[in-house]
Amino acid sequence: EIVMTQSPATLSVSPGERATLSCRASQSVGNNLAWYQQKPGQAPRLLIYAASTRAAGIPARFSGSGSRTEFTLTISSLQSEDFGVYHCQQYNNWSWTFGQGTKVEIK
Amino acid sequence: EVQLLESGGGLVQPGGSLRLSCAASGFTFSSFAMNWVRQAPGKGLEWVSLIGASGNNINYAESVRGRFTISRDNSKNTLYLQMNSLRADDTALYYCAKVLLGTHYYFDSWGQGTMVTVSA
Repeated sequence: EIVMTQSPATLSVSPGERATLSCRASQSVGNNLAWYQQKPGQAPRLLIYAASTRAAGIPARFSGSGSRTEFTLTISSLQSEDFGVYHCQQYNNWSWTFGQGTKVEIK
Repeated sequence: EVQLLESGGGLVQPGGSLRLSCAASGFTFSSFAMNWVRQAPGKGLEWVSLIGASGNNINYAESVRGRFTISRDNSKNTLYLQMNSLRADDTALYYCAKVLLGTHYYFDSWGQGTMVTVSA
């Protein structure tokens, strides 16, 4: 099983600042990686897929990059509504695994 | 608008069984693979199972293989998860999730989940 490791566990960012979240895969997943945002009491929402493609309706301040084992989600200018937990997810050979999540707090 | 509505969760004793359902609307259900994903309290997400659009392609996480069975009824736009031999570590919020158009790699729509608690 491919293990996904996210860092940091918690990120405190002031509104307007840049937030950078990392996700590392235990082996190459090519660009088969997605990012989801989850707010308390809500289901996850797809933000980014194929490592760098924004999902429908996702603001341009969200961007994804990386390939193989190292991936990054960047929020260019954090808004107050961006708080929540961010999960990365990989797909490989009919198996899907998620990272443990990064909690983004508004400073 | 895509809507996914899970039901069937509840409190069950270890070794017991439950059947979850997910009623879908707002899209052509029979054209999309569907998944179950769970989240234990305070924990991350765990993929549980996938079923192809016509029901012919099925896969399970190792943690549930042999105990859980995924199925679908395209005439009723409904996804199911039969859970047998339940254990305490199956306690979680169970989401059904639709795959993104054109790929089965990602999940673009999720229900609000149904809670399963396994406890004596």
